[in-house]
Order: sequence, then structure tokens, then C-alpha cells
Amino acid sequence: AQSVTQPDIHITVSEGASLELRCNYSYGATPYLFWYVQSPGQGLQLLLKYFSGDTLVQGIKGFEAEFKRSQSSFNLRKPSVHWSDAAEYFCAVEAGTALIFGKGTTLSVSS
Amino acid sequence: SQTIHQWPATLVQPVGSPLSLECTVEGTSNPNLYWYRQAAGRGLQLLFYSVGIGQISSEVPQNLSASRPQDRQFILSSKKLLLSDSGFYLCAGAHTGEETQYFGPGTRLLVL
Repeated sequence: AQSVTQPDIHITVSEGASLELRCNYSYGATPYLFWYVQSPGQGLQLLLKYFSGDTLVQGIKGFEAEFKRSQSSFNLRKPSVHWSDAAEYFCAVEAGTALIFGKGTTLSVSS
Repeated sequence: SQTIHQWPATLVQPVGSPLSLECTVEGTSNPNLYWYRQAAGRGLQLLFYSVGIGQISSEVPQNLSASRPQDRQFILSSKKLLLSDSGFYLCAGAHTGEETQYFGPGTRLLVL
């Protein structure tokens, strides 16, 4: 069965430091992968997606993610974190009609 | 691009009362529509999805139901709320044939 694992429940990084959020998926075919961000009490906003082609995808707000088939991973990165990036981040894989989400990683940014 | 509207934003209801949450979509026709529930620390759980008017698929057995009376309207209902129905409910839509889902702002439901 398809699944998504985000190993880190909570991460704290200093403002200006780099960030990497981990995501591992289980899916039989070539996956369609997504990263969403959710600010407190808000809906989800799409950051980026991977369908095919270049394995390094660029998204909004300076985020990027790299698809690594050999590791079944789709990690999200940002070179320099801003305080406004504090939020919850969800990785998802498309499975038929719907998306399967990981349980999310909460990002805190310290000054 | 499509816009997803949800209301109300927040709702406090007593146990045993009925529920109706509404979701409407702008900017697309014949979208696929989805209801998710988000409980604290548990990520998003898909409740229902619809590929057209009157077509509803349920992902998990529960106290809730969904209906799609119009192309761009998706309603989540319950006849009698349970305490366990508390949570954050998100509606999402996708263009027909596309995988990317866009989310509404959500409704926070508290059942007391």
C-alpha cells in the first residue's frame, strides 16, 4: 500500500540557516509527489510538485525538493530560512484519485 | 486557477446536533472534490471524494456523509455529531485529469 513517512515531527532551525525536511514514500509506480505548507489555522498551500523530468524541482518561497528514486525520498530544502517559514509542512504522494499525506513536520525558527 | 471557499471558519456544536459544512469552487468546471479531516498530530485523513455531481466515494466508515448537489458545491454532513468528530476539516479541489489539489481555508469544528 502507498504511504508517506516524515521522520521528523518537529525541527527547530536558526533564522538564516539552511533547512532540509525529510520525506520517504512507498509507491509501486512512478510517483507524483507534493510538498504543502500550512500556517496555523489555515488551509494548505502548494509549495512544489514532481511529476517527471528533472529530479530537482523549484517551488515558491525559495524552496526546492529533490526526487531520489533509489532512496524513495523527496526531501524539501531551503538554503536560508526566514522567520515567516515557521509552519507545518506536509509531503504527499498521489495514489489513484486522492493524495496520501505524511503526518507533517512542524518547523520552528529561532532568532 | 481555482479558488476553494469554505464556511463557516469555526463552528462549536453540541454532541448529537446535526452538521453541515459547505465547500464551493471557483475557476474550474467539473472538478474532483475532496473532504479531509485533520486531527492534531495525525496528518490529513481523506474522508470523501467526488468526481462529479451525485458521485461520492467514502474512504473510511464514520458518522459523516457527503453530497454534491451541484458541480462546484460539496457538502459534508452529519445527523448526530460525536465528540470524536472534532477537528479541522479541509476541502480540496483538482481540475479533472490533474493530480494537483488546491485547498480551502478549512473549518475548525469543536463538538462539546
